[in-house]
Amino acid sequence: DVKVTQSSRYLVKRTGEKVFLECVQDMDHENMFWYRQDPGLGLRLIYFSYDVKMKEKGDIPEGYSVSREKKERFSLILESASTNQTSMYLCASSSPGRDYGYTFGSGTRLTVV
Amino acid sequence: SQQGEEDPQALSIQEGENATMNCSYKTSINNLQWYRQNSGRGLVHLILIRSNEREKHSGRLRVTLDTSKKSSSLLITASRAADTASYFCATDESTDKLIFGTGTRLQVFP
Repeated sequence: DVKVTQSSRYLVKRTGEKVFLECVQDMDHENMFWYRQDPGLGLRLIYFSYDVKMKEKGDIPEGYSVSREKKERFSLILESASTNQTSMYLCASSSPGRDYGYTFGSGTRLTVV
Repeated sequence: SQQGEEDPQALSIQEGENATMNCSYKTSINNLQWYRQNSGRGLVHLILIRSNEREKHSGRLRVTLDTSKKSSSLLITASRAADTASYFCATDESTDKLIFGTGTRLQVFP
């Protein structure tokens, strides 16, 4: 069964910590995405990548960075976690130009205290 | 930028009834997709409709697209309690990058 795996289901971190959220996909997809989901705001795109070592800013990149050293792995980094980054983080992957849509991971619920 | 806006925000129906959710968007699109999210989980892709299509079916799902009105609807027929979830529309502007709406929360009572 093809899938996108996010390393942690729940995470609690302290303000100022550097946080790594890992995402791995086994579908050989070129495209990978990080979204955050907040009540009433839906899903907002943080960063995305169309290929290894490539990254593009989404709508809300401030306070985040990403790394894609291998095709199957896309990491989201919170350089210095803040309480307003408490959220559900969703990773997704897709193949360009295909009609299969995105495949999402189960999400990481991050709480910054 | 929020591309899609779903309506209604919340919908409660009885099992066996049909559920209709609407989505409006702002710019030209390549395709529009619908996703489902069970509480606290990731999203699952349901159906994709291209900009040159007007209607598409998949099992109990029927999606329509009106590009002149920049709107789409998702119809779930003969709903079941297991259909209880949030439903999101998402638009692709030919960049393989999806912009999601804020979702409709559907509650189906047994």
